[in-house]
Amino acid sequence: GNSVTQMEGPVTLSEEAFLTINCTYTATGYPSLFWYVQYPGEGLQLLLKATKADDKGSNKGFEATYRKETTSFHLEKGSVQVSDSAVYFCALSDLTNQAGTALIFGKGTTLSVSS
Amino acid sequence: DSGVTQTPKHLITATGQRVTLRCSPRSGDLSVYWYQQSLDQGLQFLIQYYNGEERAKGNILERFSAQQFPDLHSELNLSSLELGDSALYFCASSVAGQHSGNTIYFGEGSWLTVV
Repeated sequence: GNSVTQMEGPVTLSEEAFLTINCTYTATGYPSLFWYVQYPGEGLQLLLKATKADDKGSNKGFEATYRKETTSFHLEKGSVQVSDSAVYFCALSDLTNQAGTALIFGKGTTLSVSS
Repeated sequence: DSGVTQTPKHLITATGQRVTLRCSPRSGDLSVYWYQQSLDQGLQFLIQYYNGEERAKGNILERFSAQQFPDLHSELNLSSLELGDSALYFCASSVAGQHSGNTIYFGEGSWLTVV
């Protein structure tokens, strides 16, 4: 079945460091891929998405490229800030149900950025 | 603010009881989704409704049920509650019911604690 695997956290970085959070997936068909972020005490917010192979999603300095050949969607940011501290979830759209759409999430990666 | 409204934000109840969680989707969105977030299971898709009809079903227990009303708000009913049902329950909404690039917007969640 469909699944998403994220790197284990927590990830601890200093401000202005480079960030990579790895995400790989297993899916039938050609799902869309998403990164969601959950700040402390808040709900999930869509960070970026990509709907087909080689698409690059980007938002707030974060980027991720849909790599079909490696079934990956790694999240990157060139210079993290303390305000980026949150839990990041990789997700894919489940296409096995023709009637509806569900998101399959990874377990989440906690990022902690210190000044 | 995603535009998805959930009530109550926090709820404490005893084992064996029944609770109802309520969700109002974003204006114009026809699909409503319910997700459960727990420490051991992560984010699990429960169920999706589109314009009043069930569209997709995930790992929803038989003790749980949901519905979407003509005004498009949705309720998740949890009965015969067990300690393991303690979790954060998210509602989400989207415009379409079955598009792989569908952006799904999440509410802030309802914290359920079963004691």
